[in-house]
Amino acid sequence: DGGITQSPKYLFRKEGQNVTLSCEQNLNHDAMYWYRQDPGQGLRLIYYSQIVNDFQKGDIAEGYSVSREKKESFPLTVTSAQKNPTAFYLCASSIQGAPGRWTDTQYFGPGTRLTVL
Amino acid sequence: QKEVEQNSGPLSVPEGAIASLNCTYSDRVSQSFFWYRQYSGKSPELIMSIYSNGDKEDGRFTAQLNKASQYVSLLIRDSQPSDSATYLCAVGGYNKLIFGAGTRLAVHP
Repeated sequence: DGGITQSPKYLFRKEGQNVTLSCEQNLNHDAMYWYRQDPGQGLRLIYYSQIVNDFQKGDIAEGYSVSREKKESFPLTVTSAQKNPTAFYLCASSIQGAPGRWTDTQYFGPGTRLTVL
Repeated sequence: QKEVEQNSGPLSVPEGAIASLNCTYSDRVSQSFFWYRQYSGKSPELIMSIYSNGDKEDGRFTAQLNKASQYVSLLIRDSQPSDSATYLCAVGGYNKLIFGAGTRLAVHP
């Protein structure tokens, strides 16, 4: 079964903790993305990566970090510097590879719901 | 700042009616356009993509694109209660998609 998996489904963070959200895809897609969605809001781009070992900041990167060591994996770390991390986090991927090309269809994982205790 | 605008709704339509969802975008050179459906608490799923001016039909769904007016719409014919969801419009830019905040559709029996 091809697709995008995210884990965990629910995550609870204490104040001052760093937590890492997992995103894995077996679609052989080059590009991967992380979004944050707050209740009643649209999707805001945190980070994206178009090729292995390269990633770019999105619109709200502060307090987050990523890595792209493998094509299949794009984990997101929510650091203690992110003051309001409670949100629904969505990972997506698309075929597009070369930087500077028009973005094509993105497919989403099931999401991780992060709550700060 | 490149933007995608949608009416937040809720758009309420009776079962069997046509639901019309609209979206405008600011980046005149955008080339790819998408409609996603998102049920409450779930992730977005792709309904339609459209790249050329005109209409594109897929079952009960029709996407319409007018690049001159910077306008894209989604028509849902024979609306069903199961169509009740938030519909996100997304516009393709260089390297990323720009999402609207979504329109909430409620189909009542």
